[in-house]
Amino acid sequence: DQQVKQNSPSLSVQEGRISILNCDYTNSMFDYFLWYKKYPAEGPTFLISISSIKDKNEDGRFTVFLNKSAKHLSLHIVPSQPGDSAVYFCAATFSGSARQLTFGSGTQLTVLP
Amino acid sequence: NAGVTQTPKFQVLKTGQSMTLQCAQDMNHEYMSWYRQDPGMGLRLIHYSVGAGITDQGEVPNGYNVSRSTTEDFPLRLLSAAPSQTSVYFCATTTSGGDTQYFGPGTRLTVL
Repeated sequence: DQQVKQNSPSLSVQEGRISILNCDYTNSMFDYFLWYKKYPAEGPTFLISISSIKDKNEDGRFTVFLNKSAKHLSLHIVPSQPGDSAVYFCAATFSGSARQLTFGSGTQLTVLP
Repeated sequence: NAGVTQTPKFQVLKTGQSMTLQCAQDMNHEYMSWYRQDPGMGLRLIHYSVGAGITDQGEVPNGYNVSRSTTEDFPLRLLSAAPSQTSVYFCATTTSGGDTQYFGPGTRLTVL
């Protein structure tokens, strides 16, 4: 039973437009959420995170939104750039620590020039 | 400052063989962990350690052993490799109060 789900395996977006990646979770104990970005043949790299006490966190072109009642979070990338093309993983954990992460299956984002 | 390093990058084993995947970090992080990534399943936690001498199981520990004799190193041992262990393995580290984990570049393992 997957506790963190990314239902879209892939997403294509035109350069300059908004990319929206979605993530759902089932475990209400999760209180800290992270997004990782992964290029081929490399390890995941941290992108942005959000605590359950917030509903939005912004870092440059990246914004994460959290809807606790729906157990849903999304990552917005504006504007999208070709270098953003990668696999994006949503992850969740407990008590503000990133020690034991539960990952979603990932979404391959392709930004078309 | 190399961060998190993993060796080897690639490995092919036959069923029943044993091997050790190496992970080293130079960031003096207390917490280290091993994940495996399989197609369509994201990353799953195998084992983790909160400091030298302390290890614990994650979500998918069967068939793997770990030990943590130093802060820097956290090797993952496959006792008797099986085709189901074909995967990409990632080591990660974080500080005890850290908000994020730093991943190594991965080891791609194929078991025939």
